[in-house]
Amino acid sequence: DADVTQTPRNRITKTGKRIMLECSQTKGHDRMYWYRQDPGLGLRLIYYSFDVKDINKGEISDGYSVSRQAQAKFSLSLESAIPNQTALYFCATSDLFSYEQYFGPGTRLTVT
Amino acid sequence: DAKTTQPNSMESNEEEPVHLPCNHSTISGTDYIHWYRQLPSQGPEYVIHGLTSNVNNRMASLAIAEDRKSSTLILHRATLRDAAVYYCILGPYNFNKFYFGSGTKLNVKP
Repeated sequence: DADVTQTPRNRITKTGKRIMLECSQTKGHDRMYWYRQDPGLGLRLIYYSFDVKDINKGEISDGYSVSRQAQAKFSLSLESAIPNQTALYFCATSDLFSYEQYFGPGTRLTVT
Repeated sequence: DAKTTQPNSMESNEEEPVHLPCNHSTISGTDYIHWYRQLPSQGPEYVIHGLTSNVNNRMASLAIAEDRKSSTLILHRATLRDAAVYYCILGPYNFNKFYFGSGTKLNVKP
């Protein structure tokens, strides 16, 4: 089983709809991250959480919110989706004592 | 925020060494140099990281210039599986400012 899982893997939604992307990890890491990737570009950090009670905005947090339900779960919400939020979304985790981030397989989101 | 400059694309022959350059002239003293790669249709994966000294691991080597304003990722024998986008990233140890940039797309020819 994968260490970092994301659901759904693909989602098409309409403008104005609320949508939640979920991330779960079995690595026991305290730190979790949400990134988005646009075609031909690198990843940009949306939000990150260093533990269950710690949530921080990243480079591009406007239009997004997150929830850290447990150490293993970190959800990303789009309260009112808009077309320019169409992108590939990645969740990642890391351990306090490691320099390595572990990424999930990604969620492809299309907003029409 | 410190940024990196990488060539958009590079090409290599299978089983030959590959040197992927990265310029980071505004690097701060506390920035680590991280390299990740993204295989097609996958999330990024860690390759290597360093601060000042050259580093080796089972995947690659990282050569860091003495002034730290540039670095080179070295794949000693490229395989077809190494075809990916390689990202050179500057950031602190805790990843709270981790800017991927657009990376270098490596094509490996058989």
